[in-house]
Amino acid sequence: KAGVTQTPRYLIKTRGQQVTLSCSPISGHRSVSWYQQTPGQGLQFLFEYFSETQRNKGNFPGRFSGRQFSNSRSEMNVSTLELGDSALYLCASSRTGSNTEAFFGQGTRLTVV
Amino acid sequence: DQQVKQNSPSLSVQEGRISILNCDYTNSMFDYFLWYKKYPAEGPTFLISISSIKDKNEDGRFTVFLNKSAKHLSLHIVPSQPGDSAVYFCAASESGNSGTYKYIFGTGTRLKVLA
Repeated sequence: KAGVTQTPRYLIKTRGQQVTLSCSPISGHRSVSWYQQTPGQGLQFLFEYFSETQRNKGNFPGRFSGRQFSNSRSEMNVSTLELGDSALYLCASSRTGSNTEAFFGQGTRLTVV
Repeated sequence: DQQVKQNSPSLSVQEGRISILNCDYTNSMFDYFLWYKKYPAEGPTFLISISSIKDKNEDGRFTVFLNKSAKHLSLHIVPSQPGDSAVYFCAASESGNSGTYKYIFGTGTRLKVLA
């Protein structure tokens, strides 16, 4: 069965621009979570979606937003990019969003210059 | 407020020996725990999980132990192999209607298995 697919794999943007990242979960998984990983940091939770509804949000500014479509695919958007937004953005899918295994995509490496 | 802590940022082990990675948590509502392995520039790979109703779960060379009273879990890898060299993350989640629907991750432990 296909795994979690994130596109694009790599992205270079300029400060002030906006970016949209995409995540296609494993078939049958309805929960999609987004995480940010920066050097020396663990995985910082951004938000989680289930059946097109955001159920939880981490401590990130409003520049970070997301959405989920009826086919469970999810997008994450970052507006007015800052240098500190450079990170590996990871998407994870699971059946329910807790108490089951979450499976990660390979991530999108975003570099803001 | 770091609810899941991995206090050892790195660990070196000789090939063939046991690797023990530790994780502590503070939230007594966590009832599901997971371990992931991560290579550079890749997403974390699920290794093994344990529910709070158990105190041990084993899968091949990987065993996770849960001590609820101490709010501590550990991952044992026996025998350790050079291919196990990676960053290991533990994660925790809450269940049910009161669950927060997110996995809280530790900051990771970098394991190096020496040949």
